[in-house]
Amino acid sequence: GENVEQHPSTLSVQEGDSAVIKCTYSDSASNYFPWYKQELGKGPQLIIDIRSNVGEKKDQRIAVTLNKTAKHFSLHITETQPEDSAVYFCAASKTSGGYQKVTFGIGTKLQVIP
Amino acid sequence: KAGVTQTPRYLIKTRGQQVTLSCSPISGHRSVSWYQQTPGQGLQFLFEYFSETQRNKGNFPGRFSGRQFSNSRSEMNVSTLELGDSALYLCASSSDRARGTEAFFGQGTRLTVV
Repeated sequence: GENVEQHPSTLSVQEGDSAVIKCTYSDSASNYFPWYKQELGKGPQLIIDIRSNVGEKKDQRIAVTLNKTAKHFSLHITETQPEDSAVYFCAASKTSGGYQKVTFGIGTKLQVIP
Repeated sequence: KAGVTQTPRYLIKTRGQQVTLSCSPISGHRSVSWYQQTPGQGLQFLFEYFSETQRNKGNFPGRFSGRQFSNSRSEMNVSTLELGDSALYLCASSSDRARGTEAFFGQGTRLTVV
């Protein structure tokens, strides 16, 4: 089955600096890669996603890159703010047997220090 | 548009008991997925329901079961609770997960087994 590895498990950055979280996946059939942000006491919220026919996608301070050959994708947050502090999950998804199968990474706890 | 609603938010049960958790998806969404979230294991997929049918199942014992009603609301049941079942249980709804559509998570039910 699919295996998604996420690094680092914890990340501390100074406010204003950039943060990068990396994920690798094993199944070349995976074609959809969402990123979720989970704040304390809340469920995960989709913040950005990318499909396998695209190499990069940007939404304001957040960007995601995908390297299909190397099977890795990354989340980039620029000009970090204290409200960016949360746990971030990557996921790899593919269609199998008529349904979408999603595998999540273990999560990265990001702390933005004011 | 109302989000995904999970009830109850918190639950304390005794080992050996059973529990039922409820999830009301976003109006119009027919796919509901359930996940178990623990600090060490991250988000683990339990099962997915679409139009009242279980379409996909993760690697959990038979003590974990679910169902979906005609209005797309879903319930998850865990019988003979064990201490290791203590976790945050999340449900996610989408219009059709098989098409790779975006999934929206609820806030989760925090289950504590004592």
